[in-house]
Amino acid sequence: DAKTTQPNSMESNEEEPVHLPCNHSTISGTDYIHWYRQLPSQGPEYVIHGLTSNVNNRMASLAIAEDRKSSTLILHRATLRDAAVYYCILRDVAGKSTFGDGTTLTVKP
Amino acid sequence: KAGVTQTPRYLIKTRGQQVTLSCSPISGHRSVSWYQQTPGQGLQFLFEYFSETQRNKGNFPGRFSGRQFSNSRSEMNVSTLELGDSALYLCASSLNRVEVNNEQFFGPGTRLTVL
Repeated sequence: DAKTTQPNSMESNEEEPVHLPCNHSTISGTDYIHWYRQLPSQGPEYVIHGLTSNVNNRMASLAIAEDRKSSTLILHRATLRDAAVYYCILRDVAGKSTFGDGTTLTVKP
Repeated sequence: KAGVTQTPRYLIKTRGQQVTLSCSPISGHRSVSWYQQTPGQGLQFLFEYFSETQRNKGNFPGRFSGRQFSNSRSEMNVSTLELGDSALYLCASSLNRVEVNNEQFFGPGTRLTVL
């Protein structure tokens, strides 16, 4: 199975942009890249997903490298409520998901 | 619309016992997936059920099993519990079968402790 690698932790100041990286060098051509986040004592929640092109939604942006071996989740203005563990996930054509270890984001006021 | 609900939220069992966890998906959702979350292994996929049939299975021993009912509710069973089965078990539902590009909605999880 393809794997993802993420930094264990990152810090950001409130109202500043945050770039969360993910490496997935063994990604297959048909795998989608998903990002979910998990707030304390909650299940993960969907953030964004993409295949090749950069994607934007109301929560975040996803920048995917041209060779698809890495991607970056961008939170444009971090708030205290964005403090969570962010997971970079590969979803294959069978619908199976492979989770990375996640990045714990700390947002400082 | 109510979210994914899991019962019980907390459970304590002893080694060798068996346990059944329950998951009610969002109304109208037909797919239920189960995940195990531990500090050492992170989040790992257990299995997915769609229309009462197991569609996908992760790399877990046969002690882990599940089923889905006609109303899409799902149960997960672990037999002959081991200490290493202590984990947060998460259930996720989606409208249809999980594919490359659809969203899953997670419940709060059941915290299982095996003594």
